Parts: sequence; structure tokens; C-alpha cells
Amino acid sequence: AQTVTQSQPEMSVQEAETVTLSCTYDTSESDYYLFWYKQPPSRQMILVIRQEAYKQQNATENRFSVNFQKAAKSFSLKISDSQLGDAAMYFCAYRQAGTALIFGKGTTLSVSS
Amino acid sequence: DTEVTQTPKHLVMGMTNKKSLKCEQHMGHRAMYWYKQKAKKPPELMFVYSYEKLSINESVPSRFSPECPNSSLLNLHLHALQPEDSALYLCASSQTLTSGSTDTQYFGPGTRLTVL
Repeated sequence: AQTVTQSQPEMSVQEAETVTLSCTYDTSESDYYLFWYKQPPSRQMILVIRQEAYKQQNATENRFSVNFQKAAKSFSLKISDSQLGDAAMYFCAYRQAGTALIFGKGTTLSVSS
Repeated sequence: DTEVTQTPKHLVMGMTNKKSLKCEQHMGHRAMYWYKQKAKKPPELMFVYSYEKLSINESVPSRFSPECPNSSLLNLHLHALQPEDSALYLCASSQTLTSGSTDTQYFGPGTRLTVL
């Protein structure tokens, strides 16, 4: 069965600094998708970034980028120039054909000024 | 537009009540999902509908009854719930359940359910 592991329950960063959230996963499939979702205290789950496993190029969305290492089954999220609004719980998630998302346990990110 | 709406935002019910949660999307998505989320935990999948047919049921107790009346609407009927069912109930949708570049799930804001 596929699993997703986030080994950092909590992380903190100062405004304008860079932080990296870790995620590893386990699968025997070759075709799958990886996602980072953000859930602020207001609770709406928002898609941050996604990566198709067949793409070698790392996905980037403005200040958010990923380091996708397929052989190592690693999918970390880098947040550059952190802002107070980045404070939230971040979930790494995996998906393959015919299934719903499999989530990691989440990392709570706090941002200080 | 990637909006999924859910009503009500908050719901308080007794253990003998019958209530329903509603989810709606107008993105043309043909897969819709119900998740249950406890505080500081990841969402747990409950049900998945694909083309208005129930495709996945994660062994959810029968006091939760899903319904998909049409491709835009998803309901979750609640009856004889227990206090431990108190949680945030999230709805999500995606283009389809099968693989493809449009495989992203979009979530609604959730319904905060309290069972007394």
C-alpha cells in the first residue's frame, strides 16, 4: 500500500526567510501525482503545487517550489520569502489512477515577524 | 473557477437527529469526494462518487449515507450520529477519478459538525 510520510510535525520560519518541508512516499507505481496542500486555521484546503511523476522538471509556483527526487521517493516543498500568510498546516499528498488522495500527517508551519 | 461550496458552515445536532450536508461544484467535474477531518489530523476518505455512481466506500458506518443526485451535487445524510463523529467534513471534486493531468482535487471550505 502507498504511504506518505512527513517527518516534521512543526516548523518555524521568520518572515522573508526560506523554509523547506520534507515529504517521502512509498509506492511501486510509476505513474502518479504528488501534491502539497495548505490548510490555514480558517480550514479551507488549498492546492499549493503539484508534480506529475513522469516530469523530471521540478514544479514551481511563484514563491513555492518542489524538489522531486523520484528514485529517492522524496518530494520536499521550499517556500521562499516567507510571509505571515504562509502560516498553516501543510499536507503532502499522493495520488494514482483510480484512487483518492493519500495524505501525510501534516506539518504545522509558523511564521514570525 | 475552482470553487467547491458546502452548506451549512456549522451544524450542531443531537444523537437522534437527521440532518444533511450539501456540496456543490460547477466545474464539470465527474468525481466527488467526502472526507472527515479531526483537528490537526489529515483528512480521512469516506466516499468517492465517479459519474454519479459510488465507487469507493471506506467502510464508513451506515449512519452516514451519501447521495449524488446529479453531476454537480453531493449530499451526506446523517442519522443517529455519535459524539465521536464530531469533525470537519470536507467535500472535494476532480475532473475524473482516473489518471490524467487534470487529476487535482479541489476542496470546499468544510462543514464543522458537532454532535451532542
